[in-house]
Parts: sequence; structure tokens; C-alpha cells
Amino acid sequence: AQSVTQLGSHVSVSEGALVLLRCNYSSSVPPYLFWYVQYPNQGLQLLLKYTSAATLVKGINGFEAEFKKSETSFHLTKPSAHMSDAAEYFCAVRGQYGNKLVFGAGTILRVKS
Amino acid sequence: DGGITQSPKYLFRKEGQNVTLSCEQNLNHDAMYWYRQDPGQGLRLIYYSQIVNDFQKGDIAEGYSVSREKKESFPLTVTSAQKNPTAFYLCASRPRRDTLNTEAFFGQGTRLTVV
Repeated sequence: AQSVTQLGSHVSVSEGALVLLRCNYSSSVPPYLFWYVQYPNQGLQLLLKYTSAATLVKGINGFEAEFKKSETSFHLTKPSAHMSDAAEYFCAVRGQYGNKLVFGAGTILRVKS
Repeated sequence: DGGITQSPKYLFRKEGQNVTLSCEQNLNHDAMYWYRQDPGQGLRLIYYSQIVNDFQKGDIAEGYSVSREKKESFPLTVTSAQKNPTAFYLCASRPRRDTLNTEAFFGQGTRLTVV
């Protein structure tokens, strides 16, 4: 079975600072990995996805994530945080033979001015 | 515009009443999903459907029911058997059930409060 662990339920950074949101996955088969963002009282929007084509994946709004099989990680980064990045971020995994998307508990990103 | 429409956005019900949440998509997607979101717990899968007239239980199906009579529609009923129904409910869909690298598209959610 697949599972996802997001380290840190809350992360706080200053505007202009590096954003690093951590995601570790567990999967017995090659995984498909996703990062979503959610603004208050809204649905989820896809930031980026890993589908085995390249280990470094670039997404929208300047975010990127690197798939590291040896570390079973898929951490999300952004070089310079903007106030508009304040939201909740979810990492999700789907296994090779599964149709279900399994989500992590989420990380709330706060950006300080 | 194509997308997923959930209605209503906010819903209040008395304890013991059944309530149905609507989810409609015009993306021509085969697969549809219902998730429940509680603070600090991420999204948990309630039910999913990969094709019309077929659906499967997710991880927390007790106290919920669904139907999939049309490709576009996947309503969720929260029954009186659901012990703690107050939550944010999200509907999602995917283009095809057999393409694992495709992402799910989400509606804007329905916040259900039971008083």
C-alpha cells in the first residue's frame, strides 16, 4: 500500500526566503507523485507531478520538486517566497496498479512580510 | 468553461437528517472521487467510481452512499449513520481510469455543518 508523510504541519518563512516543504512516500511499486495547493475554502490545484520522465519537475508559480528514489522523497521548493504562496500544500502518491490517490496530512505555509 | 461544480458551497443540517451533496463535471472524465477533509488529516477517500453504474468504497465509506447513473454526476449522501459528518467535502475527477500519471481535478468543495 502507498502512503505519504509530510514533515511539518506548519512552515513559516519570510518573504523572499527559500521555501522547502518535505514529502516522503512509501510505495512497493514505482510511484506517481503529485503536489497540490489549496487556498482557504477552495478546492485543490495541481502544482506539479512526477511521472518518471525526469527527476526534477518544474511546476506552476515557480515551484519545483525533485524525485529521489534512494531517499523516497519528493520535496517541494521555491527559491523566493511571495505573500501569495501562503496556503496549504498536499503531497499525494498513486501506485502503479492503483487508481486511488493517497494524500499526506498537508503543510500550511505562512509567509511573513 | 469545463470544470467540476460542487453545490452548495455551504450546507447546514440538523443532526439525524440525511443530506445529499452534488458534484457535476463537464470534462468528460471517466473516474470520479469523493474526499473528506478535516484539519490536520489531509484528504481521506470516501467513495470512487471508475465508470457509470459502478463505484467502490474508499477508506471511510461508513455512513455515506453514492450513485453514478450518469457520467457527469456523482452525488454523495451523508446519512444519519455518519457519526461526525461536519467536514469539508471535495469531489474530484480524472480523465481515464487506466492512466495512472494523470492528475485529479477538484471542485471547490462543500462545507457541511451539522448542528
